[in-house]
Amino acid sequence: KQEVTQIPAALSVPEGENLVLNCSFTDSAIYNLQWFRQDPGKGLTSLLLIQSSQREQTSGRLNASLDKSSGRSTLYIAASQPGDSATYLCAVRPTTDSWGKLQFGAGTQVVVTP
Amino acid sequence: ETGVTQTPRHLVMGMTNKKSLKCEQHLGHNAMYWYKQSAKKPLELMFVYNFKEQTENNSVPSRFSPECPNSSHLFLHLHTLQPEDSALYLCASSQDRLVGANTGELFFGEGSRLTVL
Repeated sequence: KQEVTQIPAALSVPEGENLVLNCSFTDSAIYNLQWFRQDPGKGLTSLLLIQSSQREQTSGRLNASLDKSSGRSTLYIAASQPGDSATYLCAVRPTTDSWGKLQFGAGTQVVVTP
Repeated sequence: ETGVTQTPRHLVMGMTNKKSLKCEQHLGHNAMYWYKQSAKKPLELMFVYNFKEQTENNSVPSRFSPECPNSSHLFLHLHTLQPEDSALYLCASSQDRLVGANTGELFFGEGSRLTVL
């Protein structure tokens, strides 16, 4: 059974510092991996999706890498801002027929202090 | 309206009540999902519908009853719930024919916060 782990569970950094969030998964047979952001009491906002054939995806200050063979993905957020404070979740889609059956990690709660 | 919308945003109910959560997606997707998010636990998939047909029931108790009248609307009917069912219920949608450039990216609504007294 696929297990997704996010370490650390919580992270606090001063404004301007780069953020590095880790996601690991036990089964490398994935179709894609998606990173989400969740603000308190709100739904999930999709940030980046990496296909299994890709090594990285970029959007603005966000960069996500994928090393499928070692079961790891990393989300980098450059020059963090207080508005980046949120919980970040990663999720893997195991197979092409898995109809949205994403396996989620528990998330990393990020606080960026001014 | 764009994206995925859920109503109500907050719901408080007693254990003998019957209520429903509603989800509507305006993205033209063919698959919709209910996820449950409890405190300190990863998101749990509850139900999957594609083309209005239920394809997944992830061992969810019968006190939760989904309904998908068309590919844009999804309901979760609730009855005789337990306090441990208190959670954030999230609806999501995707275009889930994984062919060509389609990635099956999931889009979520804002959630319905349910409290069972």
